[in-house]
Amino acid sequence: EAAVTQSPRNKVAVTGGKVTLSCNQTNNHNNMYWYRQDTGHGLRLIHYSYGAGSTEKGDIPDGYKASRPSQENFSLILELATPSQTSVYFCASGDSANSDYTFGSGTRLLVI
Amino acid sequence: GDSVTQTEGQVALSEEDFLTIHCNYSASGYPTLFWYVQYPGEGPQLLFRASRDKEKGSSRGFEATYDKGTTSFHLRKASVQESDSAVYYCASYSGGSNYKLTFGKGTLLTVTP
Repeated sequence: EAAVTQSPRNKVAVTGGKVTLSCNQTNNHNNMYWYRQDTGHGLRLIHYSYGAGSTEKGDIPDGYKASRPSQENFSLILELATPSQTSVYFCASGDSANSDYTFGSGTRLLVI
Repeated sequence: GDSVTQTEGQVALSEEDFLTIHCNYSASGYPTLFWYVQYPGEGPQLLFRASRDKEKGSSRGFEATYDKGTTSFHLRKASVQESDSAVYYCASYSGGSNYKLTFGKGTLLTVTP
């Protein structure tokens, strides 16, 4: 079954440390996305990608980098984590041809 | 770009109550409209979508009708159950080379027995 898998499910990081969140999709979708979800803000787009090797800034990219080394994998990188980046992060993959947009189960990040 | 406005905050109902979550969109042309549901500890999952005026989407007893005239896609269910407690997101996509959905801020539905 096609899916979007995120790892880790939970992460505790220290302020100033580097954090990498990983996402793998088996949907064969060209597009992938990273969102964060906070109470009162809903889903906010951080970075997205149209295909391997491409990354684009979303609505709130500051403090985050992204990497898309292959069709299947899309990573979100926090070079210098801060407590304000404590949140739940969701990866998604999408295909406009069939209006498909599938989310992973999320990564809960706590920065202390 | 697109924008989506939905019932904000929380909706609290009792089992067997009628549910309406309002969703209004602003977009050019005929966007595809979506409803997503997110259960605790999970990612959002597609409930249904619609892409033409007057088209009705439905799933699990929920339904919404695409209304171009009022730019709305309101979510309704005749009789909610405790298991329907979740966050509901309305979203739109207007086409173009950037396939990105525009999401509303979400509505938390809490159903008590």
